[in-house]
This record gives sequence, C-alpha cells and structure tokens, in this order.
Amino acid sequence: GQSLEQPSEVTAVEGAIVQINCTYQTSGFYGLSWYQQHDGGAPTFLSYNALDGLEETGRFSSFLSRSDSYGYLLLQELQMKDSASYFCAPHSGNTPLVFGKGTRLSVIA
Amino acid sequence: ETGVTQTPRHLVMGMTNKKSLKCEQHLGHNAMYWYKQSAKKPLELMFVYNFKEQTENNSVPSRFSPECPNSSHLFLHLHTLQPEDSALYLCASSSTSGAANEQFFGPGTRLTVL
Repeated sequence: GQSLEQPSEVTAVEGAIVQINCTYQTSGFYGLSWYQQHDGGAPTFLSYNALDGLEETGRFSSFLSRSDSYGYLLLQELQMKDSASYFCAPHSGNTPLVFGKGTRLSVIA
Repeated sequence: ETGVTQTPRHLVMGMTNKKSLKCEQHLGHNAMYWYKQSAKKPLELMFVYNFKEQTENNSVPSRFSPECPNSSHLFLHLHTLQPEDSALYLCASSSTSGAANEQFFGPGTRLTVL
C-alpha cells in the first residue's frame, strides 16, 4: 500500500526559513515531487527529486533521503506570496502521482 | 491560448441535471488526468488517459463518465450527481503518464450540486 504524511499547517514569519517535511511509504518508489497551490488556484510544479540530496531552485530547495523514505521542502527568505498549500507527491513506477493532504503555509509579518 | 484550460470555471447543477466539464491542453502532451479536490481532503485522482486510452479509473462512481476524443481534449460527463460531489475538479496533463513527468494543471471547475 501507500501512505503519505506531511504536517497540515505551518506558520512562519516573513523573511524566515521554513521546512515542510514529508514521509512516505510507496512500493516501487521512483522519486518525490512538490507542488504549490494558492487558494483558488491550480497546483503548480515546484521540484522533483529522484536521487538523495538537496536540489536548489532559487529560494526553494527540496531534499530526499530514499533510505529514510523522507523528503522536505525548504523555503528561504519567506515572502507573503509564499502563503499557499504545498503538496508532496511520491512517484511509483508508471502509476500517476499520489498527492497528500498538503501543508498549508501561512506567512505572517 | 497556452497551457491547460478548463470550462466552465463555475457550475451549479441539480441532482437530475446532465452537464459536461471540458479540458483542453495546448502543450502537446499525451497524458491527461481528472482530479477531484474537496475541502480538507487530498487531491483524488479520478481518471488517467494516456495516448487517448484510459489507463486508470480510481473506483469512480458511474455517474462520472470521462471521454478523451484526442490527446488534446478531455471531458467529464456528469449525470445524477449527489451533493457530496460538490468540489473543485481539476484537469492536468503531462508528456506521458510515466514516473517523473511534471503535471500541468488547469484552473479547475468549481462544481456545486444542489
């Protein structure tokens, strides 16, 4: 079977750093994707990790540890516009993505 | 237009109505998806089409009927829905339905069933 865990809500201060964790159990695991969704908007792709380690894209970084079935999304220099829901989604073979319930990030002044 | 478009953006229907949701992608992709997003629940995959062939049906009730006439268009036909079917219905596409392919989502159709 598959399971996916990420915190339901996180609050952080503008300019700070926040880490959103994701643990998963997926047979035939290939890699882990992250998506962002603003209220009323569509999910948009942020990153994909197939190998262990940190992938950096501007203010956002994503980390994967395959042996721990764990990943995280790191957001630096938080801005108000980063307030959104963030979904981790493990890939398994040729089956489509499985999305978790998402983490709602609130950035406060 | 570019990307993935969905029409209508909002739909209110009675339980005895028949309506259809439309999705169109202008990205040259070969896989298209329907998702349901309800409040406080994960994105639920409903259907997957890869090269116009349905490859996934996630135990979706028969009152939802997908149609994929070509790789660029996807429809979701709705019939005798229930109030609990009220949700945001999202369409997505990717180059194929395989592992690491980034999915591009449309803006969604907000459906309310009375």
